[in-house]
Amino acid sequence: EVQLVESGGDLVQPGRSLRLSCAASGFIFDDYAMHWVRQAPGKGLEWVSGISWNSGSVAYVDSVKGRFTISRDNAKNSLYLQMNSLGAEDTALYFCTKDRVATIAGDYYCGLDVWGQGTTVTVSS
Amino acid sequence: QSVLTQPPSASGTPGQRVTISCSGSSSNLRSNTVNWYQQLPGAAPKLLIYYNDQRPSGVPDRFSGSKSGTSASLAISGLQSEDEADYYCAAWDDSLNGRWVFGGGTKLTVL
Repeated sequence: EVQLVESGGDLVQPGRSLRLSCAASGFIFDDYAMHWVRQAPGKGLEWVSGISWNSGSVAYVDSVKGRFTISRDNAKNSLYLQMNSLGAEDTALYFCTKDRVATIAGDYYCGLDVWGQGTTVTVSS
Repeated sequence: QSVLTQPPSASGTPGQRVTISCSGSSSNLRSNTVNWYQQLPGAAPKLLIYYNDQRPSGVPDRFSGSKSGTSASLAISGLQSEDEADYYCAAWDDSLNGRWVFGGGTKLTVL
């Protein structure tokens, strides 16, 4: 069964750090790009970051550039998101998602076809 | 404000055909393909359409997509009560060093 399981979400104070993890199973992890997408309470979807199959390309939404770092360990079938200098605007449910293709841009056949159930990050004092 | 523009709501009765629009620009919809996602209440999103009009395995053919220029649309025919959900369009945007962008979402109500 194809599965993504996120972990690491927590209640943290503003300015602190958090690391999210995503364990993948049921597919060849290093064949595909991976992404993080978040959803603030009662709001829509927002793409946060993506990483290509071999970590050669990464991208971020402007609001997290310089604060968040995406990475992957293909040997462990795992995706990560290091989040620093967290603010209230980062409060959201964070989804780990698998792309249909290996690259994060330029492939017409792209699409986020597998999603985890999400892990909740709450930033509050 | 979302880069891709969708109507906030749509509705229809069982059996009807409804369409949801998605408006973008030259840096996203004109130059890249569009995806559509369905998010049922309390669930993770699900990919409905990729490459403008392609359905992943398991998605009923009641769902169809199209794109022309900087606009795209999702059509749902034979509307069913279980189609009540939020629907999002998405595309790669070539501006600002590249990023995925989503529409604000359309809440579909089956009357």
